[in-house]
Amino acid sequence: EAQVTQNPRYLITVTGKKLTVTCSQNMNHEYMSWYRQDPGLGLRQIYYSMNVEVTDKGDVPEGYKVSRKEKRNFPLILESPSPNQTSLYFCATLAGANVLTFGAGSRLTVL
Amino acid sequence: AQRVTQPEKLLSVFKGAPVELKCNYSYSGSPELFWYVQYSRQRLQLLLRHISRESIKGFTADLNKGETSFHLKKPFAQEEDSAMYYCALKESNTGKLIFGQGTTLQVKP
Repeated sequence: EAQVTQNPRYLITVTGKKLTVTCSQNMNHEYMSWYRQDPGLGLRQIYYSMNVEVTDKGDVPEGYKVSRKEKRNFPLILESPSPNQTSLYFCATLAGANVLTFGAGSRLTVL
Repeated sequence: AQRVTQPEKLLSVFKGAPVELKCNYSYSGSPELFWYVQYSRQRLQLLLRHISRESIKGFTADLNKGETSFHLKKPFAQEEDSAMYYCALKESNTGKLIFGQGTTLQVKP
């Protein structure tokens, strides 16, 4: 079964405490992407990756890092989280026919 | 600049009423457009693509290049249609998907 798996699904943390949200896909897709979803702002792309070792900034990359050392994993790193990074985060891969497959989402609260 | 606009944050209709969720875009090239849906407590998923010209769950969407619109329509709304709907445009040169702000559809009994 095609899957995009994110962990953790829920996290409450404090300002400045580094955290990583993992994303793993089992479809051997080259393209992966991170979005954040905020009320009234819709989905905004944070970073994306066209292939291993190839990453690019999306629309709202500030405060985030990513890495793509292997095709299946695309972790999102918050080196020093701040309250404005409280959001719902989605990882996605791009399948054939340009269809995005999304993970279940990770709800992050930064106090 | 490429942009997708969904002017309504919330659309509330009664069961059986027609539904139209608006989507307008600005794009200099030939657009490829999508509708994604997010039901409560579920992940985002593709609803339909304009190139497929398909009807999914009774929904259709026609690309109108003259009006730069890709409105989502359904003649008779059902309660299970209640969800958040996102219109998205794919940039042909980067492959990037640009999403609108989303519209919450609420279908009342």
